[in-house]
Amino acid sequence: RKEVEQDPGPFNVPEGATVAFNCTYSNSASQSFFWYRQDCRKEPKLLMSVYSSGNEDGRFTAQLNRASQYISLLIRDSKLSDSATYLCVGAYGSSNTGKLIFGQGTTLQVKP
Amino acid sequence: NAGVTQTPKFRILKIGQSMTLQCAQDMNHNYMYWYRQDPGMGLKLIYYSVGAGITDKGEVPNGYNVSRSTTEDFPLRLELAAPSQTSVYFCASRSDRGPNQPQHFGDGTRLSIL
Repeated sequence: RKEVEQDPGPFNVPEGATVAFNCTYSNSASQSFFWYRQDCRKEPKLLMSVYSSGNEDGRFTAQLNRASQYISLLIRDSKLSDSATYLCVGAYGSSNTGKLIFGQGTTLQVKP
Repeated sequence: NAGVTQTPKFRILKIGQSMTLQCAQDMNHNYMYWYRQDPGMGLKLIYYSVGAGITDKGEVPNGYNVSRSTTEDFPLRLELAAPSQTSVYFCASRSDRGPNQPQHFGDGTRLSIL
């Protein structure tokens, strides 16, 4: 079983739609989680950190459920510019290493 | 605002050749990482370093070597290039101010072994 698993998609949605991505992780010792965004053939960029209490940044809401080992990302009012691959990422190991384990990514296509 | 700089951006190698992928960061980050990303896949950690003079293996270290003689630079060496090493390579760095610090990535090096 992969340490971080995502549905690869693709998710094809119309502009203005609400879309949710899910991610599960197998290592309960993981410390922190993130969502990164990756545009085609570009480097990953941090979208947001994920906290147990849930956090929101504009149209984006991230949630972490440690009991179920489950992470989610909700995008409201989708824009064409949201089209990208979204990577669920877990941080493992001590704070001295900060190693990240990446899911394979979920591809989102927002269509006009 | 250079951040993490990788060179070269593209390279084609013949089987058996060697090369060094360069990575430099100007943010005074102690932690640096090398990943590879194959098509349609997530990133896999090759090697990482928590400071000058300290390196350690990641998930997929075979066929690669690294060194960290300065805080700024973290080169990745391929000694005998193989077709399986065709991939996109990303270097990243992170502040050591706790586990929630994000990693900052370079633009990537696209490497083809023919």
